[in-house]
Amino acid sequence: ETGVTQSPTHLIKTRGQQVTLRCSSQSGHNTVSWYQQALGQGPQFIFQYYREEENGRGNFPPRFSGLQFPNYSSELNVNALELDDSALYLCASSPHLIGAGWDHTQYFGPGTRLTVL
Amino acid sequence: AQSVTQLDSHVSVSEGTPVLLRCNYSSSYSPSLFWYVQHPNKGLQLLLKYTSAATLVKGINGFEAEFKKSETSFHLTKPSAHMSDAAEYFCVVRSNTGNQFYFGTGTSLTVIP
Repeated sequence: ETGVTQSPTHLIKTRGQQVTLRCSSQSGHNTVSWYQQALGQGPQFIFQYYREEENGRGNFPPRFSGLQFPNYSSELNVNALELDDSALYLCASSPHLIGAGWDHTQYFGPGTRLTVL
Repeated sequence: AQSVTQLDSHVSVSEGTPVLLRCNYSSSYSPSLFWYVQHPNKGLQLLLKYTSAATLVKGINGFEAEFKKSETSFHLTKPSAHMSDAAEYFCVVRSNTGNQFYFGTGTSLTVIP
């Protein structure tokens, strides 16, 4: 069973640029969540996608946007990068078992370290 | 609203001694609670979860946690610390809609040889 994978591992951008981060969910998982983890902090929820639709959003501005594809992989896009966007971005997937309800356990990828200069 | 408070930002123990990492939760409903561990430059790994079954939950690597509703606590314990346990530990509560995890601020565990 393949776990959650994310790319790239590290990324350096300058203020004002745009960035796209990618995530492949664990096999059999159709729900993907994104989190931002600033240095020394706990992860903060950005948003979740289920069956290609946004299914909840945290307190992040609209310049943070996402997509989920039919194969359940996902992208996080951030426009107009700011210095405070420098963080570890984590993707997590969870299964939704049809007929058996939700399994809300989230399985995390290794993250993408974004540095904004 | 749901939240968790990790009572210690740093805990140091000697190898072979017990570990106690404290977590209190706030929730308006019966919560689902999790402990995750994060080793340096690694992703978050699930240690254990409580989802309203047995109040004493056993996880991986010898860790366990007890859900105490009267104390709104979900403390993580291990009888004997190992050097490989040194990491950041996060207590997490799930939102009632199930689509969001609320993380605590983390507890950094140091294991002294």
